[in-house]
Amino acid sequence: QSVLTQPPSVSGAPGQRVTISCTGSSSNIGAGYDVHWYQQLPGTAPKLLIYGNSNRPSGVPDRFSGSKSGTSASLAITGLQAEDEADYFCQSYDSSLSVVFGGGTMLTVL
Amino acid sequence: EVELLESGGGLAQPGGSLRLSCAASGFTFSDYAMQWVRQAPGKGLEYVSAISSNGGSTYYPKSVGGRFTISRDDSKNTLYLQMGRLRAEDMAVYYCARRGGTYPNHYFDYWGQGTLVTVSS
Repeated sequence: QSVLTQPPSVSGAPGQRVTISCTGSSSNIGAGYDVHWYQQLPGTAPKLLIYGNSNRPSGVPDRFSGSKSGTSASLAITGLQAEDEADYFCQSYDSSLSVVFGGGTMLTVL
Repeated sequence: EVELLESGGGLAQPGGSLRLSCAASGFTFSDYAMQWVRQAPGKGLEYVSAISSNGGSTYYPKSVGGRFTISRDDSKNTLYLQMGRLRAEDMAVYYCARRGGTYPNHYFDYWGQGTLVTVSS
């Protein structure tokens, strides 16, 4: 059971907008710690997608955006493309446990 | 270009040992904290170990504490993970990753391709 809760799967048609939630608690996201997101394409290593709640590393399209509110965070993907099909993980810090990850969400592009 | 290349994975018996290596290039290795993250087959990510930029501080979660040791050799730009008393639940792909940002809001800005550790008799 992961400390951060993500939906196991989401799906959307090409061109649509999807969101992936990441729910924590008062000892992690709710305590003010930043949330970061990673994209893992099939058979590859994770890649940093969003850091510091809403910042994109160089090279990440602006179709990807992150937000945080209270004890939750969200990753939004607009203009969905087939190449976005991947697993997405959120990560934060927990005052009792150190670095914590969400269980991951599999995005299917229909 | 930042590159991280893990090696040393393979088959180990329960109770056995393995040493993983991660060769870094494309950045000043001694300036960065580094960590290991693992992923069991079909599962999520788990933080395994971390070491500060000067090697003076290390971290292990309870799941591996006392069995795993992280170290670094800045002269060789290489990160290590010595794993002992291996258990079936240690079977996973092990990734080394560079730390970005500042504690405690740090993240992992570059990842290696991973090395598979199989624990089986």
